[in-house]
Parts: sequence; structure tokens; C-alpha cells
Amino acid sequence: EVQLVQSGAEVKKSGESLRISCKASGYSFTNYWISWVRQMPGKGLEWMGRIDPSDSSTNYSPSFQGHVTISADKSISTAYLQWSSLKASDTAMYYCARLLRGGWGQGTLVTVSS
Amino acid sequence: DIVMTQTPLSSPVTLGQPASISCRSSQSLVHSDGNTYLSWLQQRPGQPPRLLIYKISNRYSGVPDRFSGSGAGTDFTLKISRVEAEDVGVYYCMQATQFPWTFGQGTKVEIK
Repeated sequence: EVQLVQSGAEVKKSGESLRISCKASGYSFTNYWISWVRQMPGKGLEWMGRIDPSDSSTNYSPSFQGHVTISADKSISTAYLQWSSLKASDTAMYYCARLLRGGWGQGTLVTVSS
Repeated sequence: DIVMTQTPLSSPVTLGQPASISCRSSQSLVHSDGNTYLSWLQQRPGQPPRLLIYKISNRYSGVPDRFSGSGAGTDFTLKISRVEAEDVGVYYCMQATQFPWTFGQGTKVEIK
């Protein structure tokens, strides 16, 4: 069974850094891209970017390029989403997902206070 | 960026009756490899989204056959043949033909 298990909720302050994780199991991690998706409170889904865990190549949405970094560690089947300087507007639920093949994490709620 | 436009944005339906959601893309979703990467996702209240349909019309594992997808080029449709109570939620179309991948605004399906 495909499982993507995300790290727990985070409460941060503006300007702080953060890395959240997504651990995959039940399939070969390097065979499928992982995407990160943002959902702001009461809003729709926004694609942030994706990583190919086999070679760590990435593509980002222009809306998120330069503000977040997507990475992966194939030795532990884990993908990451990180910020070097959070803003209050980063407050949202973040999901990792195998968008093309099915399988979503449970979501990580990030709350940033100013 | 490819813009995905869904209609309607809200769909009150009677249990047991059909429902249909349209999704239109601002440009063709036919990829250079010949595939059309148009998917449909369902998000039930308080839950993460889940994949229903991929590449226009292929049902994902475990998805009931009352869900079906159709279309080509820039116009796509998700149909629910007989709506059940568990189908309440928001439905999104998504294109993965061209970066950045993009979602429709979402269509809320609720019971009348």
C-alpha cells in the first residue's frame, strides 16, 4: 500500500526557517515524482513544484520559485519542503503527493505569526 | 501558465441523481508524448485530496465505477452517474502536461 506520511503541524514566527518532511513507503521511492501542494485556509489547491527522487531534479511554479526549496533523500525515501524565511502569508496546509499516480500525504499545517 | 476553468463552481444534487462537472483548459493538454495529462481529484471535507481519474478517463485504484471522465484537447468532463452521500466534497481538475502544473478552482458538490 502506498503511504506518504508527513511531519506534524508547525507554529513559527515570520523570518524563521522551516523544513517539513514526507516519508514514502509501499513503493519504489525513486520511480515516481513527488509534488508539493499548498492549500490556504478555505481555498483551492496550488501546485508548488515537484522533485524526481531518482536524480533530485526539480521544477517549481513561478509563484513559489525562490521562496521554497524542494529536496529528497532517497536513502530514507523522504522528500522535503523548506523555507529559509517564513512569512505570515505562508500559513497554509501543505500536502506532498504522487500527483500522477495517486497517493497523498495527510497534510502538514504550517502557521506563521507576525 | 495553462489556466483551468471549472463549471459550475457549486453543484447541489439529489441523492441518486447524476452530476456533471466541466473543465476547460486555456490551451491543448495533448503532450508531445501523445498523452493528455488531465486528472480529476476529490477532496472530502476535512480530508486530503485523492486521485479519482488520470489521463482523462482512467479510474484510479479503488474508485467506484459511478465516476467517469471524458473529453479531449481543451474540454473535459467528470460525471457521477448516481450521487451518493459520500461523494460530497470539492472536485478539482488538474493538468500535468506543461509546467507549472495547474488546478481548476474547484467545484463543490453538495446534497440538496
